[in-house]
Amino acid sequence: AQSVTQPDIHITVSEGASLELRCNYSYGATPYLFWYVQSPGQGLQLLLKYFSGDTLVQGIKGFEAEFKRSQSSFNLRKPSVHWSDAAEYFCAVSPLSSASKIIFGSGTRLSIRP
Amino acid sequence: DTGVSQDPRHKITKRGQNVTFRCDPISEHNRLYWYRQTLGQGPEFLTYFQNEAQLEKSRLLSDRFSAERPKGSFSTLEIQRTEQGDSAMYLCASSSMKIRGPADTQYFGPGTRLTVL
Repeated sequence: AQSVTQPDIHITVSEGASLELRCNYSYGATPYLFWYVQSPGQGLQLLLKYFSGDTLVQGIKGFEAEFKRSQSSFNLRKPSVHWSDAAEYFCAVSPLSSASKIIFGSGTRLSIRP
Repeated sequence: DTGVSQDPRHKITKRGQNVTFRCDPISEHNRLYWYRQTLGQGPEFLTYFQNEAQLEKSRLLSDRFSAERPKGSFSTLEIQRTEQGDSAMYLCASSSMKIRGPADTQYFGPGTRLTVL
């Protein structure tokens, strides 16, 4: 069965520091890949997505993610975090066979240290 | 474009009561999805519609749950005989799928938080 693993439940980084959130997926073929962010009281917002092509994907708010097929990973990065980046981040996949349903990881909560 | 809206935002009910939630998708989006999110977890897919047709349902959607999208616009999700385990955030999303191709981007609403006492 398809699955998404986000090994870090909670991460704290200092404002201005770099960030990397890990994501691994389990699937027979390369699925479509997404990162969403959820702030308290807000809906899920799409940060970026990967369908094919260049494995380094640029998203909104200065985020990027790199797809590594050999590692089945799609890690999210940001060179310098801001206090407003504190939120819950979800990695997600959509199987090619059902390009409608999205399977989400359990999320990583990001806290920012002043 | 006003985004996906959901009503109500919060619902508190007693066990055994029926509840109904509404989702209004982005106008002209032909696909509409329902997800459930429990505390500390990511959203879990429940069901989706293309226009008025319900095309896929998760095993999570027991017979107490029913979703409709009668005119291909707004959708309702009804839970009958609620149980405490139904307490969760219910999220709605919509997308525009025009042709067969890459997964369409889903835009999420703010959710309806259900508490069953």
